[in-house]
Amino acid sequence: NAGVTQTPKFQVLKTGQSMTLQCAQDMNHEYMSWYRQDPGMGLRLIHYSVGAGITDQGEVPNGYNVSRSTTEDFPLRLLSAAPSQTSVYFCASSPLDRYTEAFFGQGTRLTVV
Amino acid sequence: AQKVTQAQTEISVVEKEDVTLDCVYETRDTTYYLFWYKQPPSGELVFLIRRNSFDEQNEISGRYSWNFQKSTSSFNFTITASQVVDSAVYFCALSVWEYGGSQGNLIFGKGTKLSVKP
Repeated sequence: NAGVTQTPKFQVLKTGQSMTLQCAQDMNHEYMSWYRQDPGMGLRLIHYSVGAGITDQGEVPNGYNVSRSTTEDFPLRLLSAAPSQTSVYFCASSPLDRYTEAFFGQGTRLTVV
Repeated sequence: AQKVTQAQTEISVVEKEDVTLDCVYETRDTTYYLFWYKQPPSGELVFLIRRNSFDEQNEISGRYSWNFQKSTSSFNFTITASQVVDSAVYFCALSVWEYGGSQGNLIFGKGTKLSVKP
């Protein structure tokens, strides 16, 4: 069972560059989300999706775009990276029921210089 | 608004000591879920427990136990006879019943870093 797979695991970007963080899950979960983790801040929700074609903003959406064309994939796009986006990013998925916890990917450590 | 407070930023104990990690939450919803996740130094998030708002029964799993008290809006986590392998950051999180039942929108506390010294 692969679960939730994030790529890449590490990335260094220059300010102004764009990139896409990939997230894929093989559990047929309807719900997927992106969080960022900053020191002393816990994890904060960036964007989420309750199914293919449906996305919405979380607590800290500025500077990020998402789309959900398939159930399996939920990429996070940084259009013009800024040093403030240096963080560890986690993707999570869960089914749309009240009984199952969220499954997290291994995380992507992003540094913007 | 929902909020989770973990007032203890860092805790250091000696192996075999018992340690309790505090979690206080705020929500106006009557149906909600509380979670604990462990983040070891390797960085992944490991699910430990989920508790729903209608179940105040305490739970014990090996050396881990959880005390859920709605009256004080607390969901505390105790590790008995701590071990070096328990060293990690522990997060308490809250989700409310919405979006057809998704528990995905988690509100995390800032985490408590536990260091267990041999």
